[in-house]
Order: sequence, then C-alpha cells, then structure tokens
Amino acid sequence: AQKVTQAQTEISVVEKEDVTLDCVYETRDTTYYLFWYKQPPSGELVFLIRRNSFDEQNEISGRYSWNFQKSTSSFNFTITASQVVDSAVYFCALIFAGSQGAQKLVFGQGTRLTINP
Amino acid sequence: GAVVSQHPSRVICKSGTSVKIECRSLDFQATTMFWYRQFPKKSLMLMATSNEGSKATYEQGVEKDKFLINHASLTLSTLTVTSAHPEDSSFYICSADGGQETQYFGPGTRLLVL
Repeated sequence: AQKVTQAQTEISVVEKEDVTLDCVYETRDTTYYLFWYKQPPSGELVFLIRRNSFDEQNEISGRYSWNFQKSTSSFNFTITASQVVDSAVYFCALIFAGSQGAQKLVFGQGTRLTINP
Repeated sequence: GAVVSQHPSRVICKSGTSVKIECRSLDFQATTMFWYRQFPKKSLMLMATSNEGSKATYEQGVEKDKFLINHASLTLSTLTVTSAHPEDSSFYICSADGGQETQYFGPGTRLLVL
C-alpha cells in the first residue's frame, strides 16, 4: 500500500526561526516520486519540489531545503529564517503507477504552519 | 509554465440541483486529468481519474452516478455534481497530467450546497 504520513498536524513558530516539516512514506515501488506542495489560504496548490527515488541528493532553494533519506523513507522539508508569508498548509505527496497505469498522487494529511510575527 | 484553470471558482447552489465544474489545461494537452476533493482542514482525496475519450476511473467509495466526469477533449474535463446535497459541500480541485510524473493543479472550486 502507498501511504504518506505527516505526523505534525500543526506547527507554530516565531518569525526568523527555522522549522522542519516531517514526511514519511510507504511504497513497494522501486521507482517513485515525492513532492511537496504549499497551500495558502486561497486554496491553490503551489508546487515546491519533485524528487525521484533514485536521487538522494539534498536540495536547497533559497530558504527552503529538502532532506531525502531512502533508508528511513523520509523526505523532510526545512524552512530557514521563516517569514510570515510562509504560513500555509504544506503537503507531502507520493506518486506511483496505479493498477491501470495512471499516475496517482497520494497526499499526506498536511501540516498547518503558522509563522507569528 | 503549464496553467490549469477551473470554473467557477466559487458556487452556491440549492440542495437537489446539479453543478458543473470545468477544468481546462490552457497551454498544453492532457490525456489524463484528475479530480480531488478536500474537506475543511483535511487532505486532498482523489475522486477519479479522467481519461480523454474514455470512461473515468473512480476511486473506491466515490459514486460515479453522482459525480459525472466527462473528458471530451485534450484540454477540458468536467465534473458534474448531480442532485447536490449539503454534504457535497467541499473544495474540488482538478489537475492535469503534464508528463514526467508531474500534475498541474487548478485553483480549485468551492462548492456550497444550501
């Protein structure tokens, strides 16, 4: 079974603090892709990153960084020097080939991040 | 970049009526589109996979007669909520398969059934 778990339901920090959002996944596939999306109050999903299962290099994009560890089936997301605009719900997701070949996305429960001024 | 639009962005309807939501890929063609539903403070749940020119594939527990999906062209999929009831009130989001295991999401449609 394919599953994504985001154990942190809500996180609240003060601006400029660093914060890490955890993501643990389960899959039997050897080839899969992991994603992070941001969902601000407007509701629209904002794509942040895609990582395939063969690429374990960590990625940094500005204040965002991602740590992919296949050994622990984790794909954690860190925001450095957080800002109020980072407040949103963040979803980790996994894509796998469904029984009829369609690429289905499985989402975690989401982590609501609040950055307080 | 790839853009997906949804229309309407917000709709309020009376119980028992039907509502149609459109999902369009504006600058690319998508043989496969997906429909998700998101209840308040919950995650996105896949409802169905829409394939151009063929029947949609519904996830377990989703009533295909209630949520009619039509994917008549490579740039348009529609979701019709038939005989809507208050429990159908939700945020409906579509996505289009842009290839390379990437889905492009629409901005969503908030449905409120009174």
